[in-house]
Amino acid sequence: DGGITQSPKYLFRKEGQNVTLSCEQNLNHDAMYWYRQDPGQGLRLIYYSQIVNDFQKGDIAEGYSVSREKKESFPLTVTSAQKNPTAFYLCATTDANTGELFFGEGSRLTVL
Amino acid sequence: AQSVTQLDSQVPVFEEAPVELRCNYSSSVSVYLFWYVQYPNQGLQLLLKYLSGSTLVKGINGFEAEFNKSQTSFHLRKPSVHISDTAEYFCAVTNRDDKIIFGKGTRLHILP
Repeated sequence: DGGITQSPKYLFRKEGQNVTLSCEQNLNHDAMYWYRQDPGQGLRLIYYSQIVNDFQKGDIAEGYSVSREKKESFPLTVTSAQKNPTAFYLCATTDANTGELFFGEGSRLTVL
Repeated sequence: AQSVTQLDSQVPVFEEAPVELRCNYSSSVSVYLFWYVQYPNQGLQLLLKYLSGSTLVKGINGFEAEFNKSQTSFHLRKPSVHISDTAEYFCAVTNRDDKIIFGKGTRLHILP
């Protein structure tokens, strides 16, 4: 079944630790995105990648890092520099013809 | 620059009553418009999209939206809501050459 798989669904982290969220897709889409969602603030773009080995900062990239070594994979690392990392993180891909976004099920990160 | 405004952060409505969720956008070029739905702790799913053609767009779960270019609006409607429609709804716009922009979301509360 085609889609986007995010893991883990729930993650707890101690302050000062880095954590990596996985995003894998089999839709054969070139572009991939990471969004952060906080209550009442909608979706905010962290990073995006339009092609393998290339990525750009979004609106709130500070404290995050990404890589895009394969078309299917776009992992997000939440570093200890991110001051308020507790949030719901969503990975998405784009249909290049319509601009429609396809989303994974999300990963909820809680910092203890 | 594009922007999206969802005028209501929360909308309460009685079960089986009609509902309208409002969305206005600003863009200097032709746009593609989307409505997404998000159930608790899940990713976003596409409800419907306007790419071109008929300004009345029908989507899943009985929802429809009308593209009004003169008023730069894309309001979402359903003639009779069900308890299962309780969710958060996001309006989004893109001109294909730029990133998709989301509104801050509207929480739909269905009252028994």
